[in-house]
Amino acid sequence: DGGITQSPKYLFRKEGQNVTLSCEQNLNHDAMYWYRQDPGQGLRLIYYSQIVNDFQKGDIAEGYSVSREKKESFPLTVTSAQKNPTAFYLCASSTGTVNTEAFFGQGTRLTVV
Amino acid sequence: DAKTTQPPSMDCAEGRAANLPCNHSTISGNEYVYWYRQIHSQGPQYIIHGLKNNETNEMASLIITEDRKSSTLILPHATLRDTAVYYCIVRVARLTGFQKLVFGTGTRLLVSP
Repeated sequence: DGGITQSPKYLFRKEGQNVTLSCEQNLNHDAMYWYRQDPGQGLRLIYYSQIVNDFQKGDIAEGYSVSREKKESFPLTVTSAQKNPTAFYLCASSTGTVNTEAFFGQGTRLTVV
Repeated sequence: DAKTTQPPSMDCAEGRAANLPCNHSTISGNEYVYWYRQIHSQGPQYIIHGLKNNETNEMASLIITEDRKSSTLILPHATLRDTAVYYCIVRVARLTGFQKLVFGTGTRLLVSP
């Protein structure tokens, strides 16, 4: 089945450690996105990538890093510089062409203790 | 991209129509209106989108006012499984086709028996 897979679903880390969240898609989509969601809040854009080997900062990129070495994969690293990393992280992809919807993964809930 | 305004919450009785409003008074002529919904702790799901004309699919109907400054998502026969947060988004159809998705806080719809 085609779709977007985020792993793991739940992740616990100690404060000060970097952690990488996985996002893989087999939809042959060019564009991929990372969002952060805090309790009771909407989604905020962290990073997005229009094409392989290219990515841009979203609205809240500080403390995060990404790579896009393969079309299928867009991993997000939450670094120790991110002051409040505990959140629900969502990955999405789209064809990137006009008038198409985005497809979302099921999310990773990161808890930093 | 134009901003949207939605009521924070709405209630609906099961079996009745749910009408979710969205204000996008600063929308431009080349911006589409998209609706997504997010069931608790899952990734958002695409519902429907439109430019000027009313649209209908198997999930919902989208009514856009003639001046395009507001729209209404209609779930004709709401079920308990329609309880979710509904997001209204406007997106520009750029020449390159790529556009980032920017979410607000949405409307929390509660469908009751």
